[in-house]
Amino acid sequence: NAGVTQTPKFQVLKTGQSMTLQCAQDMNHEYMSWYRQDPGMGLRLIHYSVGAGITDQGEVPNGYNVSRSTTEDFPLRLLSAAPSQTSVYFCASSRQGGAPGELFFGEGSRLTVL
Amino acid sequence: GESVGLHLPTLSVQEGDNSIINCAYSNSASDYFIWYKQESGKGPQFIIDIRSNMDKRQGQRVTVLLNKTVKHLSLQIAATQPGDSAVYFCAENMGQAGTALIFGKGTTLSVSS
Repeated sequence: NAGVTQTPKFQVLKTGQSMTLQCAQDMNHEYMSWYRQDPGMGLRLIHYSVGAGITDQGEVPNGYNVSRSTTEDFPLRLLSAAPSQTSVYFCASSRQGGAPGELFFGEGSRLTVL
Repeated sequence: GESVGLHLPTLSVQEGDNSIINCAYSNSASDYFIWYKQESGKGPQFIIDIRSNMDKRQGQRVTVLLNKTVKHLSLQIAATQPGDSAVYFCAENMGQAGTALIFGKGTTLSVSS
């Protein structure tokens, strides 16, 4: 099993450009979420989903959109990138009925917005 | 607002010593507390969790202690090894279907041999 796969691993954008960070998991997990990690800070929750067709906002949702059309995929969209969105983004999944705090994280996508 | 924080940003220990990493939290309503390990260039990895109705939980070489009176959480690593060098985060589960965690800022553990 690949676990949680994120693409791309690195991306440079100009202010105002749009892009989508892809996240896929092959563990048939019901729950998926996106976090961002900034230097010297912990991870902050952007959006999460408890199942296909269901999404909700986390701590820092502004500037990001998500959708969950399948159990496997949970893409994160930046509609108009800003320098403040320069960060490392992590996608995570977890199993309904599993340990409540046990998330499985991808390797991260490092985004730089110029 | 509610937050989870750590007492020290860095901790340096000698190989074989026991390590204690501390965390303070402010949300009394949190149901679960979790510790994660993040190695350089990788995503966080689950270590151990503890439910709010417990005081102590042990895993392999790790123990988590929860003191609800002073809202304090700690991770103890026995016989610390160089492979334990990483950033450690505490997190709390806000009860939203087990997927929405609030993380603290992290403690960098450096183990020298």
